[in-house]
Amino acid sequence: NAGVTQTPKFQVLKTGQSMTLQCAQDMNHEYMSWYRQDPGMGLRLIHYSVGAGITDQGEVPNGYNVSRSTTEDFPLRLLSAAPSQTSVYFCASSIGQGTYGYTFGSGTRLTVV
Amino acid sequence: GESVGLHLPTLSVQEGDNSIINCAYSNSASDYFIWYKQESGKGPQFIIDIRSNMDKRQGQRVTVLLNKTVKHLSLQIAATQPGDSAVYFCAERPSFQKLVFGTGTRLLVSP
Repeated sequence: NAGVTQTPKFQVLKTGQSMTLQCAQDMNHEYMSWYRQDPGMGLRLIHYSVGAGITDQGEVPNGYNVSRSTTEDFPLRLLSAAPSQTSVYFCASSIGQGTYGYTFGSGTRLTVV
Repeated sequence: GESVGLHLPTLSVQEGDNSIINCAYSNSASDYFIWYKQESGKGPQFIIDIRSNMDKRQGQRVTVLLNKTVKHLSLQIAATQPGDSAVYFCAERPSFQKLVFGTGTRLLVSP
């Protein structure tokens, strides 16, 4: 039982490049979400999914796409990277009933130059 | 990560002291609250949660207090240890499956 696994751990992109941040969980959790963490701003919700085939926007969705084809995987796509997307990205999952603590991955540190 | 919290409020305590970390939340409709601990270079780790129909909940060495009148949440850590040094976040749930996080407090524990 690995929990929530994020890859890669570090990434440097040039402005305009695209990439996909991977997130996988092996706990059969229905709910998955992506957050970004910037200095002094806590964690902000980008996108979330309440089950396979269902996604919705969070607080800061612009510039990011998601899909949920399986219960296990929830990739985050940066379409055209910008320096403002330099951040630490965390994926989280929960059993879906909303009253349990969310399990977070160890994060992806992304730098856009 | 290391770059998070350059301007975070910081609470410094001695080992063995009790620590109290405070959080003001914003949405009176929030029905669920969670405290997380984040160590350097790691993701947030669940500590304890509380529903809005409760005022207090206790865990192992930790207690969360909720005051809905003033929209205030606190985390009390008993007999603080060096391993408790981390950034602590509160989170509120204003609607189903959406968590809103506070900016965090850094706890520094001196031996």
